[in-house]
Amino acid sequence: NAGVMQNPRHLVRRRGQEARLRCSPMKGHSHVYWYRQLPEEGLKFMVYLQKENIIDESGMPKERFSAEFPKEGPSILRIQQVVRGDSAAYFCASSPEWRSGNQPQHFGDGTRLSIL
Amino acid sequence: SQQGEEDPQALSIQEGENATMNCSYKTSINNLQWYRQNSGRGLVHLILIRSNEREKHSGRLRVTLDTSKKSSSLLITASRAADTASYFCALNQAGTALIFGKGTTLSVSS
Repeated sequence: NAGVMQNPRHLVRRRGQEARLRCSPMKGHSHVYWYRQLPEEGLKFMVYLQKENIIDESGMPKERFSAEFPKEGPSILRIQQVVRGDSAAYFCASSPEWRSGNQPQHFGDGTRLSIL
Repeated sequence: SQQGEEDPQALSIQEGENATMNCSYKTSINNLQWYRQNSGRGLVHLILIRSNEREKHSGRLRVTLDTSKKSSSLLITASRAADTASYFCALNQAGTALIFGKGTTLSVSS
């Protein structure tokens, strides 16, 4: 499967625990985006990364949330000390480098995070 | 709000009918994209239309863009039950992050 791969598909955490969401972009894509979707809502941009660099994190909450895209391996969205309001579907998308602003983004099937 | 706003919020039609969804926005854009989302799945890219384009076609899909009115429309002709999904417009401004609207939920009954 050459598409964007996200895992896990479903993640259940108790309040105060940490959540780690993984995203492997499409082959040949070096740009990764994370979005969050609340029920009955559209997607909200969180962060845009290239290999080893955070390019735009303007949509990321200032506390408890972090993202990385290391030279080797998947991109990771990390949420520390989760709260009930973090329950949502988190989507990752990727695009190729060339003229990335004029390229469609390719989405994974998301991770549905539930906080007990 | 910078996001696109889709209209209507929900649309129910019969198979074979056409479905039209609209998207209005308030800022300047680099391009506008339409995506489809089936329940429980990720988004699937449908069409990207650049700010200097007025109309694009892809199969049964037709997208128009009027930058003077800051609006776009997505037309699905001869709809099928498999077209049942949520449809989102997404704005691309100077950067690369997409700004999504809340979507139109389309139900096509056979």
